[in-house]
Amino acid sequence: AQSVSQHNHHVILSEAASLELGCNYSYGGTVNLFWYVQYPGQHLQLLLKYFSGDPLVKGIKGFEAEFIKSKFSFNLRKPSVQWSDTAEYFCAVTPYEGRDDKIIFGKGTRLHILP
Amino acid sequence: DTAVSQTPKYLVTQMGNDKSIKCEQNLGHDTMYWYKQDSKKFLKIMFSYNNKELIINETVPNRFSPKSPDKAHLNLHINSLELGDSAVYFCASSQEGSSSGGEQFFGPGTRLTVL
Repeated sequence: AQSVSQHNHHVILSEAASLELGCNYSYGGTVNLFWYVQYPGQHLQLLLKYFSGDPLVKGIKGFEAEFIKSKFSFNLRKPSVQWSDTAEYFCAVTPYEGRDDKIIFGKGTRLHILP
Repeated sequence: DTAVSQTPKYLVTQMGNDKSIKCEQNLGHDTMYWYKQDSKKFLKIMFSYNNKELIINETVPNRFSPKSPDKAHLNLHINSLELGDSAVYFCASSQEGSSSGGEQFFGPGTRLTVL
């Protein structure tokens, strides 16, 4: 069965620290990859996505992610975090199966930035 | 303007009752979804509709029945509520499917508590 693993359930960092959140998926075919963010009290919104092309994807608020096909990974990075980055981060994968738009979410990583 | 709206925001009810959650999107999207987010923040897709047609129907109890009167609305009706149904339910919509790289726009969620 297809699945998405986010290794870090809860990450605590100080402001200006560098961030990397891990995401691995299990599916052998073509995939589309997403990172969604849920700020406290708000709904989920798209941070960035990989559909095709350059495996290094840049998103909003200085976030980027790199798709490494050989490692089935799509890790999220930010060189210097801010207190406002405190949120829950979800990695998601859509196996490219045409009409079936099944999107599978990871269990999320709660990021807490200390001021 | 709210893109994806859900009502009610909070729903507290007794076991065995029947309840509905409404979702509306004003983005003109063709596809709408229902997700369930449990207490551990695990987000799982339940249903998706494309132009009023059911596309995805994950393994959910048949007490859950989605209804799409038009492509801007996707309501979720739940019969004979059980304690395990307590969760946050998110509605989402997208113009393109996730397998085409489409971004999903999420509603604010409905927190359902079954007593």
